[in-house]
Amino acid sequence: DGGITQSPKYLFRKEGQNVTLSCEQNLNHDAMYWYRQDPGQGLRLIYYSQIVNDFQKGDIAEGYSVSREKKESFPLTVTSAQKNPTAFYLCASSSRERGETQYFGPGTRLLVL
Amino acid sequence: GESVGLHLPTLSVQEGDNSIINCAYSNSASDYFIWYKQESGKGPQFIIDIRSNMDKRQGQRVTVLLNKTVKHLSLQIAATQPGDSAVYFCAENGDSSYKLIFGSGTRLLVRP
Repeated sequence: DGGITQSPKYLFRKEGQNVTLSCEQNLNHDAMYWYRQDPGQGLRLIYYSQIVNDFQKGDIAEGYSVSREKKESFPLTVTSAQKNPTAFYLCASSSRERGETQYFGPGTRLLVL
Repeated sequence: GESVGLHLPTLSVQEGDNSIINCAYSNSASDYFIWYKQESGKGPQFIIDIRSNMDKRQGQRVTVLLNKTVKHLSLQIAATQPGDSAVYFCAENGDSSYKLIFGSGTRLLVRP
């Protein structure tokens, strides 16, 4: 998993609850990303951050929030506004140079009770 | 051969045969391409990459071919093994400095 950890592996959310997914990397990468993957589908970008204290919305940011207070950490909060949160969530990191690989964590599967 | 499943196109091959997975990329500005392998319930794993100044690159049992004229990328896996069964994604960098554009994926099934 290339030095990227995600926790927990499984997460259960009750209706109306906010939950936070953890992502930590020790690769000294500036850029970090959150993707959502639905069963049998590809990856969709939720949020990304190219540097500490800065982040931008991806293609499907509604109902999600992030913070980037430390270079190593990029937590994702799934808010109650996200009406269909059941999915596999993947965190990735890379350098900010053009043409560099993104490395992925093992993922967190979020299920709604 | 190839078939279109409910969500992902699927390639079924006999163990020991060679596999070829294809990808049509979208952005003429892309100059960096990656293939990832994703096993069920796991994060995507880097397999091999190629830059636009090359048209072929080889790794261990894998080869990536790039045809910029028709914007086509392929991944060849030699002597396919059961452990190669997974979903394979291609990615390109587009005109972004560091973001990637991911393809929709191809499921590879290896028959014993």
